[in-house]
Amino acid sequence: SQQGEEDPQALSIQEGENATMNCSYKTSINNLQWYRQNSGRGLVHLILIRSNEREKHSGRLRVTLDTSKKSSSLLITASRAADTASYFCATVPAGNNRKLIWGLGTSLGVNP
Amino acid sequence: KAGVTQTPRYLIKTRGQQVTLSCSPISGHRSVSWYQQTPGQGLQFLFEYFSETQRNKGNFPGRFSGRQFSNSRSEMNVSTLELGDSALYLCASSLDQANTGELFFGEGSRLTVL
Repeated sequence: SQQGEEDPQALSIQEGENATMNCSYKTSINNLQWYRQNSGRGLVHLILIRSNEREKHSGRLRVTLDTSKKSSSLLITASRAADTASYFCATVPAGNNRKLIWGLGTSLGVNP
Repeated sequence: KAGVTQTPRYLIKTRGQQVTLSCSPISGHRSVSWYQQTPGQGLQFLFEYFSETQRNKGNFPGRFSGRQFSNSRSEMNVSTLELGDSALYLCASSLDQANTGELFFGEGSRLTVL
């Protein structure tokens, strides 16, 4: 079953703007991960945030985690056309370290 | 370091046939997971292998099976293909997913069932 739910399902912005995607989940987690997938390709790991962390940065990416609300957000700053892709969150439930549970993804389109 | 390699990249089969997909993980990675991705259902976990043992299994019928070899390469097989099996099949490797680290994905095998 899908635990993560990304919001919005689709997002279209102009190059240079910021893009924010959200992920909600249902159960306690060990960590939450964000991945990117270009059309028809494999997924690429972007960032992992552990349950005891609140914020993490990687280049133009900023991820926040609010365990009290069971939600995470991914912010891409100064977006580029090359950021056009689908973005997925995946959670590792607490107590089960072997099975990531995936959301359905947010499709991001960045117009040049 | 070579990435995860999946073969074939594309294949077309007809209903009732069977198919075998192959995955070579990153050197040194012992865990291999398989996923099915379709537009409507998203990423669905099939199974995970570690040191030739199936360690975790998703909710798929017995037509879907897999195995892992001593060199960590993995294969998955789908028998008696149905139209609904058309999907992108993704393989991912990791050192050991119990460490909750990142997964490294291959480019996928796109299966079309006619």
